[in-house]
Amino acid sequence: GENVEQHPSTLSVQEGDSAVIKCTYSDSASNYFPWYKQELGKRPQLIIDIRSNVGEKKDQRIAVTLNKTAKHFSLHITETQPEDSAVYFCAASMGAGNMLTFGGGTRLMVKP
Amino acid sequence: GAVVSQHPSRVICKSGTSVKIECRSLDFQATTMFWYRQFPKKSLMLMATSNEGSKATYEQGVEKDKFLINHASLTLSTLTVTSAHPEDSSFYICSARWGSDNEQFFGPGTRLTVL
Repeated sequence: GENVEQHPSTLSVQEGDSAVIKCTYSDSASNYFPWYKQELGKRPQLIIDIRSNVGEKKDQRIAVTLNKTAKHFSLHITETQPEDSAVYFCAASMGAGNMLTFGGGTRLMVKP
Repeated sequence: GAVVSQHPSRVICKSGTSVKIECRSLDFQATTMFWYRQFPKKSLMLMATSNEGSKATYEQGVEKDKFLINHASLTLSTLTVTSAHPEDSSFYICSARWGSDNEQFFGPGTRLTVL
């Protein structure tokens, strides 16, 4: 089955700096890669996703890049703010409606 | 986005009892619902996939007789933890989607504590 590795497990940045979280996946058939933000005790919230026919996608301060050949994808957050502090999960699946395999999560702390 | 609710949000029960958790799609018909389990400071692990009107598909290592899943309608799926034990204490989250290639929407989760 699919295996998703996520790094780093914790990331501390200064407000205004950029944060990068990286994930690798094992199944070349995976074609949908969402990123979720989860605050303590809350549900995961989709913040951005990318499909395998696209190499990069951007939404304001958030961007995701995908390298299908290397089977890795990354989340980039620019101009970080304290409210960006949360746990971020990457995931992979064979289609948006299919089961998601999650990475281990990254706890992002943005210091004011 | 679409709204998914879960009930209860928090439950404490004694060891040996059964607990039922409901997952509802409030403004769309969910052809598929997924049940995940999340331990503290850990990732979400898929337990089972539930399609309306058919038996759930369980992931390897998940006991189907212990975690009973029913998806009787297009807006409701239930997870029953039977004969709960302290090691079943966890955060259980459902997600729901319609169609075959649409985004999943997550419920708010249910925190189960078994004493």
